[in-house]
Amino acid sequence: GENVEQHPSTLSVQEGDSAVIKCTYSDSASNYFPWYKQELGKRPQLIIDIRSNVGEKKDQRIAVTLNKTAKHFSLHITETQPEDSAVYFCAAGPYNFNKFYFGSGTKLNVKP
Amino acid sequence: DSGVTQTPKHLITATGQRVTLRCSPRSGDLSVYWYQQSLDQGLQFLIQYYNGEERAKGNILERFSAQQFPDLHSELNLSSLELGDSALYFCASSSSTGQGGTEAFFGQGTRLTVV
Repeated sequence: GENVEQHPSTLSVQEGDSAVIKCTYSDSASNYFPWYKQELGKRPQLIIDIRSNVGEKKDQRIAVTLNKTAKHFSLHITETQPEDSAVYFCAAGPYNFNKFYFGSGTKLNVKP
Repeated sequence: DSGVTQTPKHLITATGQRVTLRCSPRSGDLSVYWYQQSLDQGLQFLIQYYNGEERAKGNILERFSAQQFPDLHSELNLSSLELGDSALYFCASSSSTGQGGTEAFFGQGTRLTVV
């Protein structure tokens, strides 16, 4: 099955700085890579996703990059704000089964 | 509101007991996923159902079982409960038709406390 590793487990940045979270996956059949944000006590919510036919996708301050050859993908948050503080999960999904294996999460703390 | 409904929101039970968690997916979604999230832990994939059939299994214990009914709601049964089963159990649904990944929408979760 798929194995998704995520780093770092915790990340503390100053407001306005950038934050980068990295994930690797093992199953070359995975073709869908979503990122979820989970605020304390709440459900995970999709913030951005990327499919294997593109290498980068941006949505305002958030971007995701994918390197299929190396089997890794990253989340980039620019101009971080205190409300970005949350746990971020990456996930990878094999094409045929649509199950999502999640990384272990990164707790991002944005200091004002 | 994601459109995914989980009941109950909270559940407290004793060791050795059995509980059933219920999930109603978004209207039209055929895929249902169950995840376990222990304190300060990530999301552990348990099992997936697609249109009533088991599609994929993750790290689900033999004491746990699930099913998806014809109306597409799903139930996760946890038996012979142990203290370590205390966790937040999430259900998610997606409209995936088997042609590729699509967004999974999560319910609010059921917090299970085993005492």
